[in-house]
Order: sequence, then C-alpha cells, then structure tokens
Amino acid sequence: GQNIDQPTEMTATEGAIVQINCTYQTSGFNGLFWYQQHAGEAPTFLSYNVLDGLEEKGRFSSFLSRSKGYSYLLLKELQMKDSASYLCAVRDGDYQLIWGAGTKLIIKP
Amino acid sequence: DADVTQTPRNRITKTGKRIMLECSQTKGHDRMYWYRQDPGLGLRLIYYSFDVKDINKGEISDGYSVSRQAQAKFSLSLESAIPNQTALYFCATSDLTGVGEQFFGPGTRLTVL
Repeated sequence: GQNIDQPTEMTATEGAIVQINCTYQTSGFNGLFWYQQHAGEAPTFLSYNVLDGLEEKGRFSSFLSRSKGYSYLLLKELQMKDSASYLCAVRDGDYQLIWGAGTKLIIKP
Repeated sequence: DADVTQTPRNRITKTGKRIMLECSQTKGHDRMYWYRQDPGLGLRLIYYSFDVKDINKGEISDGYSVSRQAQAKFSLSLESAIPNQTALYFCATSDLTGVGEQFFGPGTRLTVL
C-alpha cells in the first residue's frame, strides 16, 4: 500500500536546528515535496527532491535517499515564525501526490 | 491579488443541503485539484482535472461532484451534505513546467451540522 510516515509533533528552541524525518512506501516515485502550513492557512511549497542528496535553500535544506525511502527537512537558525506544520508528499507517477499527515513544529523562546 | 482564490472561506450548513465551493486561479495552469484536510490525516484528493474536458475521481470522491467551467474555474459540490464532510477544503493548481509543485488556495472551512 501507499504510506508516508512523519512524527506527529516536535519541539525546538529558537535559534537551534531541527530535523524532520519522512519515510515513505509508495508504488511509484517521481519526486518528494516538502510544504509548510501555518495553522488554518494553505500549504506553501518549500522544496523538491528527485535525486539522492541534499538540496539547500537558505535556512532550509532537504535530503533524499531513494533506496531507503527516506527524506528529511533540516531547518537552521529557527525563528518563531517557523512554528507550523511541515508536510511531506511523494509524487506517485505523473501527477498524484501522496501526503503525510504532517509534523507540527513548536518553537520555544 | 491571490493567484488561487476560494469562495466561501467559511460555511456552516445543515445535513441534506446542497453546497458548492468555488475555486478560481489566475496562474494559467491547466491542472486543478480539490482536497480535503482533516485533523491528524494527510491531504486527501477528491477530484482532479487536467483540462476543461478532463475530470477524474480521486481517492475519496463519493458524495462529491465537480465542474470545470473554464481553465480558470473548478467548483466542488456536495449534493447532500453530511456531518462527516465537515473539513477544511483546499483547491490547488499545477502545471508541467519546473518541478510541477502545487499551489493552494486559502481553503474553505465547511461545517455540516
């Protein structure tokens, strides 16, 4: 079956680094996406990986290992505005995204 | 102005009522999607459309119908609303350029009493 697993909730301290993990089992693989979603708002695109390795974009980086069915999102120099849910999604084929339930990240001062 | 808009933003209705949620986009994308989001669950696809003449069911289409009136407009209907359709509904668009990420509207919070 199709399955994406993420931790339900994580807590981190302002200024620190946090790593949010995502493991997946899907029938196909055509890329992995990370989205950020603030409470009550729309998801917004953060990053995309289709090849193994690390993609860096400012304070955010995303890593993919296709052989392990594993990705992580790394957030550096955490700010209070980073408090949000982070959604992992795998594109299975041409269009369909399989979504994880999301990880709620709580940032404490 | 927002690229993807949804109306209404909030709606409270009663069991058995017919409800229409509307989505418009100015991104010029051909692909449009309707999702629902429930607490503790991932986004689930209701319907998707690759162009005006193309409508496809997603994983949870029962109890819903859609209409693609134009490239820019995609509406979702609940023919006879029931309480377990209470959820946050999102419209999204994408195209074939770049990585093909989806762009989401602000969402419609629907409550069925």
